[in-house]
Amino acid sequence: KQEVTQIPAALSVPEGENLVLNCSFTDSAIYNLQWFRQDPGKGLTSLLLIQSSQREQTSGRLNASLDKSSGRSTLYIAASQPGDSATYLCAVAGNTPLVFGKGTRLSVIA
Amino acid sequence: GAVVSQHPSRVICKSGTSVKIECRSLDFQATTMFWYRQFPKKSLMLMATSNEGSKATYEQGVEKDKFLINHASLTLSTLTVTSAHPEDSSFYICSANDAGTSGRPYEQFFGPGTRLTVL
Repeated sequence: KQEVTQIPAALSVPEGENLVLNCSFTDSAIYNLQWFRQDPGKGLTSLLLIQSSQREQTSGRLNASLDKSSGRSTLYIAASQPGDSATYLCAVAGNTPLVFGKGTRLSVIA
Repeated sequence: GAVVSQHPSRVICKSGTSVKIECRSLDFQATTMFWYRQFPKKSLMLMATSNEGSKATYEQGVEKDKFLINHASLTLSTLTVTSAHPEDSSFYICSANDAGTSGRPYEQFFGPGTRLTVL
């Protein structure tokens, strides 16, 4: 059974810092991995999707990497801003529907 | 492209009533839709997988008779919470898969969610 773990559970950083969020999964037989952002009381916003054959994806200040063999992905946020404050979820797609981690709650302090 | 809508965005109802939530794929056909539930400060929990024209597949521990799912067309799935009770209060989110027409198979597109409060 696929399990997804995100570390840390919560993170608070000053504005401008670069930061890394971690995601690990137990079954490397995945089709893709997605990173989402969720604001309080809101739905999910897809940030990046990495296909199983890819190693990384970039969008603006965000860069996500995938190491399928070790079951790890990282989301790198450059030059963080207060508007980046949200919960970040990673999810993997395999033979079962998406399996989500519990998320990392990020606070960027101005 | 690949937009999913949900209606209503927020609903408050009395205990014992039934509530229907709609999930629509606006610009693509979704052969498969998923329904998730999220408790405060928790991650998403998959409730069921809805396939167009067939019965939904429910996850272990989800009551089929309480959470009725209908996927009558390629663009619409509905979740009906029957005889709702306060413990059913939650955030319900749907997602849809476009069967790879986006060029990225297995990608799911999420609706904005529905906040259900049962008094």
